[in-house]
Amino acid sequence: EVQLVESGGGLVQPGRSMKLSCAASGFTFSNYGMAWVRQAPTKGLEWVATISYDGSSTYYRDSVKGRFTISRDNAKSTLYLQMNSLRSEDTATYYCTRDKRRVCDYWGQGVMVTVSS
Amino acid sequence: DIQMTQSPASLSASLGETVTIECLASEDIYSNLAWYQQKPGKSPQLLIYYANSLNDGVPSRFSGSGSGTQYSLKINSLQSEDVSIYFCQQNYDSPYTFGAGTKLELK
Repeated sequence: EVQLVESGGGLVQPGRSMKLSCAASGFTFSNYGMAWVRQAPTKGLEWVATISYDGSSTYYRDSVKGRFTISRDNAKSTLYLQMNSLRSEDTATYYCTRDKRRVCDYWGQGVMVTVSS
Repeated sequence: DIQMTQSPASLSASLGETVTIECLASEDIYSNLAWYQQKPGKSPQLLIYYANSLNDGVPSRFSGSGSGTQYSLKINSLQSEDVSIYFCQQNYDSPYTFGAGTKLELK
């Protein structure tokens, strides 16, 4: 059974950093691209970033480019999202997803990130 | 960025009814369109990919269609467990944008 379990969220002040992790199991992690998708409170879904199966390629939405870094450790079957210079508009539930040809075919339970002073 | 306009924003239907949700892309996305279901308090789940391919384990009462810029999700014989928010997403070009969602409720 595919499982994606996010961790690392919480309350953070504007301008500070936070790192999210996603532990994957139930599939061969190194065979799949992975992505982060976020959802602001009572809002819709927003794609954040994608990383290729081997980590050689990464893609970001413009609003996080230069501030967020997606990475992975295939030996640990873990996906990461390093978030720097956080803004109030980054407040959202962040979902780790498995990427199957740019479709999110499995989703984690999500982790809440609140950016506030 | 490709804009995805989803309609209606909300929908109320009776058990057993057939409902249709539409998604309009601002440019041709060549059937690179997915539909997701988000039940209250839960994570989204993939229903349909490549416009009309049913994901594993999804009931056959769900179907997708469309091409070019116009796509639709149809739910036949509505069940109580179908109460959810439905999102479309284009996965043709980055950023992979989502529609605003359609909230489906029971009448």
